[in-house]
Amino acid sequence: KNQVEQSPQSLIILEGKNCTLQCNYTVSPFSNLRWYKQDTGRGPVSLTIMTFSENTKSNGRYTATLDADTKQSSLHITASQLSDSASYICVVSPYNNNDMRFGAGTRLTVKP
Amino acid sequence: GAVVSQHPSRVICKSGTSVKIECRSLDFQATTMFWYRQFPKQSLMLMATSNEGSKATYEQGVEKDKFLINHASLTLSTLTVTSAHPEDSSFYICSARGTGAGEAFFGQGTRLTVV
Repeated sequence: KNQVEQSPQSLIILEGKNCTLQCNYTVSPFSNLRWYKQDTGRGPVSLTIMTFSENTKSNGRYTATLDADTKQSSLHITASQLSDSASYICVVSPYNNNDMRFGAGTRLTVKP
Repeated sequence: GAVVSQHPSRVICKSGTSVKIECRSLDFQATTMFWYRQFPKQSLMLMATSNEGSKATYEQGVEKDKFLINHASLTLSTLTVTSAHPEDSSFYICSARGTGAGEAFFGQGTRLTVV
C-alpha cells in the first residue's frame, strides 16, 4: 500500500474557481512534506515545503496546509488559471532518511 | 531555486542500442542524485540513488546491468539504458540534492522511445 495517497485522482474546474487537493500519508516520523507541480512532459517543480511543525505555507495562489496529528495535507489553489492545468504531487520525506515517498498525483484541468 | 538540467529532452533509439541521459546541477554541488521512471498518468518511481563517487543503490526490481548509473562528479550523473527494448520506452527524470536532506530539484525529464 502506498504510504502517500492523494485525492481526487483527477479534477476539472472552470477558470477563476478555487479547488483543494488532498494528501493523506502514513510516513511517520517525517522530515518534510512537499507539493510539486508537474506539467505534462516536464519535471516536477516545487510549490511548497513544510516541516512537521508547520501548519500552512503559501506560494502566491497556492496554499498548503498540514495537520501532523491526522497525517493530512491539502493544497488550495485560488482563482485558478488555465496554466494551473497540471499534475500536483505530494511528496513526504521520512525523518532522518534520504528517501522521498511520492503520491500518485492529482491531475487538474482548468477549462475556460 | 536551483537549476538541474537534463539532456536530451527527447530521444528515439532502435531496439538493441544504448542511450545515455545526462543530469547536471548547474549552480550547486549535488552530493546525491536520484533517477526516476514515470509511466503515463502514474507517479514517479524511484529507480536508483547515487552518491558522488559511490556505486548507485538500485531499487528492488531495477536491473543494475541494464540501467547503468554513473555519478563521477558533484555536478553530473548519467543514466545509460543498455540494449534498449520497446518496453523501456518511458519518461525518465533525475533529481539532485545538495548536502544533507535539503530540497531536491528535478530535471526537465527525458522522453525515451525505443522502436
